[in-house]
Amino acid sequence: QVQLQESGPRLVRPSETLSLNCTVSGDSMRGYYWTWIRQPPGRGLEWIGYIFYSGSLNYNPTLKSRLSISVDMSKSQFSLTLSSVTSADTAFYYCARRAADGTLFDYWGPGALVTVSS
Amino acid sequence: SYALTQPPAVSVTPGETARITCGGTNIGTKSVHWYQQKPGQAPLLIMSYNSDRRPGIAERFSGSNSGDTATLTISRVEAGDEADFYCQVWDGNSDLSVVFGGGTKLTVL
Repeated sequence: QVQLQESGPRLVRPSETLSLNCTVSGDSMRGYYWTWIRQPPGRGLEWIGYIFYSGSLNYNPTLKSRLSISVDMSKSQFSLTLSSVTSADTAFYYCARRAADGTLFDYWGPGALVTVSS
Repeated sequence: SYALTQPPAVSVTPGETARITCGGTNIGTKSVHWYQQKPGQAPLLIMSYNSDRRPGIAERFSGSNSGDTATLTISRVEAGDEADFYCQVWDGNSDLSVVFGGGTKLTVL
């Protein structure tokens, strides 16, 4: 059974950098796209970006200038950094797996609420 | 970029049929996936490629997609079906590759 788990600071100051890790267990990371999706409290889902296990990337254009996603196969982890955060970046952040031959997200982490506040 | 439109809310009484729509230009030419999200939980993929029910999902859930509208149908609705539902497509022609609908809150009266 594939499991994903987000970890990282839950409180970030405005203008600073949000950083989260996602640890994958139960299957190899090889062959899949590893994705970040966020959801402001009480609102809908927003795709942030994904990284293929080999390192190729695709980012949401609205976040691209502040965004970096990386993968560490040796640790079975992938990571998200979002710079210059504001209160609009307060959200539940989910990591998820997208199959390489598909367009859907079949496994999700439980989510991490990150609050941007001074 | 491609946009998906869902009704904000659908209400049904137990035993009735709920239909949750997802509108988009020529969405019938795309593969639509549906996610169910219960309070405090991550979204759960329940329907893939328009009408393929995921393992463990009740047969009461079905999906269709044609023209400008995809539909998730829940027959014989139960109280436990109450949740938010999101449709999602892949838009390979856009920089915004992944598109979610705004979500529909299903209330079981």
